[in-house]
Amino acid sequence: AQTVTQSQPEMSVQEAETVTLSCTYDTSESDYYLFWYKQPPSRQMILVIRQEAYKQQNATENRFSVNFQKAAKSFSLKISDSQLGDAAMYFCAYPLRGNKLVFGAGTILRVKS
Amino acid sequence: DTAVSQTPKYLVTQMGNDKSIKCEQNLGHDTMYWYKQDSKKFLKIMFSYNNKELIINETVPNRFSPKSPDKAHLNLHINSLELGDSAVYFCASSQTWDISYEQYFGPGTRLTVT
Repeated sequence: AQTVTQSQPEMSVQEAETVTLSCTYDTSESDYYLFWYKQPPSRQMILVIRQEAYKQQNATENRFSVNFQKAAKSFSLKISDSQLGDAAMYFCAYPLRGNKLVFGAGTILRVKS
Repeated sequence: DTAVSQTPKYLVTQMGNDKSIKCEQNLGHDTMYWYKQDSKKFLKIMFSYNNKELIINETVPNRFSPKSPDKAHLNLHINSLELGDSAVYFCASSQTWDISYEQYFGPGTRLTVT
């Protein structure tokens, strides 16, 4: 069964510094997608970044980038130059057939000023 | 314009009542979903519809019944509400049900059953 594991319930980062959130997953598929979603206190779920397993290159969206290690089944999210607005809960997600998203348990990110 | 909207945003009701949550998307997407987020923030899919047709029906009590009158709307009706139904319910949509398409989420409906 496909599972998504986020082993860090909570992380803290100083403003302007870099933080990495971990995610591992289990799958027997060779081509698949992975997503990171952000849920701020407003509770709105916002897509941060996506990665296609077929592509070797790590995805990047402005200050957000991933470290995708296919063999290790690891998909970590790096946030550079952290800002107060980055404080949120971050979810790693893996879509199963039918685009059924399986989410990790989430990591709360706190940003200190 | 809100891409995926839900009404109401908050719903407080008593055990045993029947309630509905409405969802609408103006993105022209074919596929819509319902997710439940429990008190520990764990998110799990409940249902998915593609062009008004049910394609995912997770192990959900049959007190929960989704209805899709057209591909832009997916409503969730809950009968005989129980305390354990208290949660945040999210509607989402995607272009199609292919795994390559990201899902756009509504603002969520916080349901509190007393």
